[in-house]
This record gives sequence, structure tokens and C-alpha cells, in this order.
Amino acid sequence: DAKTTQPPSMDCAEGRAANLPCNHSTISGNEYVYWYRQIHSQGPQYIIHGLKNNETNEMASLIITEDRKSSTLILPHATLRDTAVYYCIVRVETGANNLFFGTGTRLTVIP
Amino acid sequence: DAGVTQSPTHLIKTRGQQVTLRCSPKSGHDTVSWYQQALGQGPQFIFQYYEEEERQRGNFPDRFSGHQFPNYSSELNVNALLLGDSALYLCASSLGVRNTIYFGEGSWLTVV
Repeated sequence: DAKTTQPPSMDCAEGRAANLPCNHSTISGNEYVYWYRQIHSQGPQYIIHGLKNNETNEMASLIITEDRKSSTLILPHATLRDTAVYYCIVRVETGANNLFFGTGTRLTVIP
Repeated sequence: DAGVTQSPTHLIKTRGQQVTLRCSPKSGHDTVSWYQQALGQGPQFIFQYYEEEERQRGNFPDRFSGHQFPNYSSELNVNALLLGDSALYLCASSLGVRNTIYFGEGSWLTVV
């Protein structure tokens, strides 16, 4: 079962930062936070992941709270092509490490 | 650098038939997983193959089976198709069982 809670939908104005929250209050010490997104009718696309430190790559930034019970994915300058369903997933790096997808957040970028 | 590739992209089968879906992992990857995504839902894990053996399995009946070949490519077989098997079938690959998982674009299966 999914171990994360995300808002079902969010809107963001084009060019503004999109901040997508995720609650994972039961996360274990050896579980990473992964973010994927799925644009309509396509396969999920890996965005970023982290354990406890904030992470940044060419797509996004991931901010994890100090207690690791929640995180925020930040798309710094949202474009229309960022409209998608965003999934926050906790995943252990040892043993059973398949991905459990919840219902995600449907982000709509508005022109 | 080729990503995860799947075939066919779309197919239609009749209830009771059997289907085989194929997947080539991302270059350098040796672990393949399969997911089923019904319309409006998130992907659900079917099983994972590593070193040509099924390593993990989700809550799917034995009608769902798979295979991994020495070149790391994989097949998903579904027997005795039901209308409820209509879904997007996603293949994903990684280097080993612990690293980041990358997905293909999927195979759309419609059972009529």
C-alpha cells in the first residue's frame, strides 16, 4: 500500500514555481523519497529522489523536512508541458524495492 | 542511449485469448519490472526479474507470467484474458534491484 499522502489536484500559473507537497509521516530510516510524473498516456518519468538532504537537478528541487515526515517537489518555472500527474513514492533501497504508486497530484499549469 | 522500449504499443485481444508483451531495458540495465495501470489509477506492480528469475511478485494471479532472457530483455504473458485486464502495461528497468527505476511508454491492451 502507498505510504504517502498528496493533494489530488493543484493549479499553477505558467512561469511561476510549482510547489507539490507530500506527506510520508511513517517513513523509515532506510526509505528514500522518489518523485515521478506521468504525462497523459505516457509512461512515468523519473524526476528526482533523496534520503534526507535537499536535492536539485535539471528538472526540479526536492526539499525534505528535517524529521523526514514530509517533502516538497519544486518546479522552479512551470511550463504548460509540466501539466501531469505527480507521484511521491517512498522506497526502501534494500530487499523489496518495487514502487507503490498512490493516486498522485494532478498539476495543471495555466497559461 | 536507448531508453526502455516496449512492443507492441497498442493491441486488441478477445476475452479468453493469450497475449505476450515485450520489453527491452535501458542500455546497461539488468533488472526488469512490469506494472499494470488501469484507467484513472496509478501503476500497480506485477513482478520483477533479475538474473533471469522472478524476484518479487505483486498481487496478481498466475495467469500473469513472465520471462527474462540472457540479454536482459523480458516478456509479460497473460493467459485467459478477462475484460478487466484492459490496461496500460508498463515495463521498467534498473541497474540492479536497488537503483533508480526508469519506465517505458507502455503497451495499451484492450480486451473485448
